[in-house]
Amino acid sequence: AQSVTQLDSQVPVFEEAPVELRCNYSSSVSVYLFWYVQYPNQGLQLLLKYLSGSTLVKGINGFEAEFNKSQTSFHLRKPSVHISDTAEYFCAVINQAGTALIFGKGTTLSVSS
Amino acid sequence: NAGVTQTPKFRILKIGQSMTLQCTQDMNHNYMYWYRQDPGMGLKLIYYSVGAGITDKGEVPNGYNVSRSTTEDFPLRLELAAPSQTSVYFCASSYGASGGYEQYFGPGTRLTVT
Repeated sequence: AQSVTQLDSQVPVFEEAPVELRCNYSSSVSVYLFWYVQYPNQGLQLLLKYLSGSTLVKGINGFEAEFNKSQTSFHLRKPSVHISDTAEYFCAVINQAGTALIFGKGTTLSVSS
Repeated sequence: NAGVTQTPKFRILKIGQSMTLQCTQDMNHNYMYWYRQDPGMGLKLIYYSVGAGITDKGEVPNGYNVSRSTTEDFPLRLELAAPSQTSVYFCASSYGASGGYEQYFGPGTRLTVT
């Protein structure tokens, strides 16, 4: 069965520092992986996705993620964060039937000056 | 293009009352979803639909009902509201595989049951 584990519930960082949000997955079928961002009091917005091809995926707002099949990971990175990156980030994997996403519990990124 | 719209934005219900959360999308997506979000728990799928007239249960369907009579609308019905249904509810839609599985989310409905 498909599942996602986000290894950190909260990540505090200073502005302009690099950040990595960690995500491990479990999947018995084709692996399609996603990162979504949720700003306060808003819905979710897609940051990036991996369906196939290059294992390094670039998304919006300077974020990127690397698909690592041997380590079953899909960690999200940004080389230099801004205050405006403060949000909750969700990793997700497609379910076995390909009909819905299974979300992790989320990681709260807090960027301070 | 409004995307996915949800009404109401906020609602307070008394235990045992019922209500319908409305969701509409104008992107002609076949797939539609209802999630609930509780603090520290991520999003849990309640129900989903792969097209008009077709619905299926997700992970946490108990206490909820859905219908899909048109492509655009996917209302979620709560019967006999309970405090455990206090949550933020998100509707989403998608093209499915043909759209790379990307889901588009509405702004959410914050529901409190007291």
